[in-house]
Amino acid sequence: GAVVSQHPSRVICKSGTSVKIECRSLDFQATTMFWYRQFPKQSLMLMATSNEGSKATYEQGVEKDKFLINHASLTLSTLTVTSAHPEDSSFYICSARKAGAADTQYFGPGTRLTVL
Amino acid sequence: DAKTTQPNSMESNEEEPVHLPCNHSTISGTDYIHWYRQLPSQGPEYVIHGLTSNVNNRMASLAIAEDRKSSTLILHRATLRDAAVYYCILRDVKRGSQGNLIFGKGTKLSVKP
Repeated sequence: GAVVSQHPSRVICKSGTSVKIECRSLDFQATTMFWYRQFPKQSLMLMATSNEGSKATYEQGVEKDKFLINHASLTLSTLTVTSAHPEDSSFYICSARKAGAADTQYFGPGTRLTVL
Repeated sequence: DAKTTQPNSMESNEEEPVHLPCNHSTISGTDYIHWYRQLPSQGPEYVIHGLTSNVNNRMASLAIAEDRKSSTLILHRATLRDAAVYYCILRDVKRGSQGNLIFGKGTKLSVKP
């Protein structure tokens, strides 16, 4: 199997604070991980692509200074939402790409962020 | 990016087969067809993928048209646990080896007991 975990599963914070979300591939190494955001009743939107040992590639409209991504090892990527505001409240989901012909991605269970 | 078109919603009865269609007329020769599903408040779950030939696994079957411009995900016996949003996605080959997945709106499958 291919298991991806996220921590925490749910976080509530005050406006202006920073929140770190961890994404781990538990039984495979992932040179590439992805971060998505999903608002209620909408589909997943890709925020950034994270490559181990290099800078993340951000999608258009996503502020790299606000959403800090670190991919320090082949099994761990972190997303830090800095100076969070209520509009950042969303469901954040990571995925890890398992190397192979089709490069299938496996997704974490998601992190529900609520900014008060 | 190659785009997919799926019906917004479908209904099925429990223990009956379900055929979920997907059109992808602009698919390129090396695009893989991936299917994921997402239950409420959970991350997407990998279902199946294929390139040219039909594929079977423990969860579902994938039937790919000969011209590859459409495909169908087949759940052989729907259960209540299969109620989810099903996404048909083409791997974004323009991103090179990154393999980004671009999600559309998917098909919301309801299963009636």
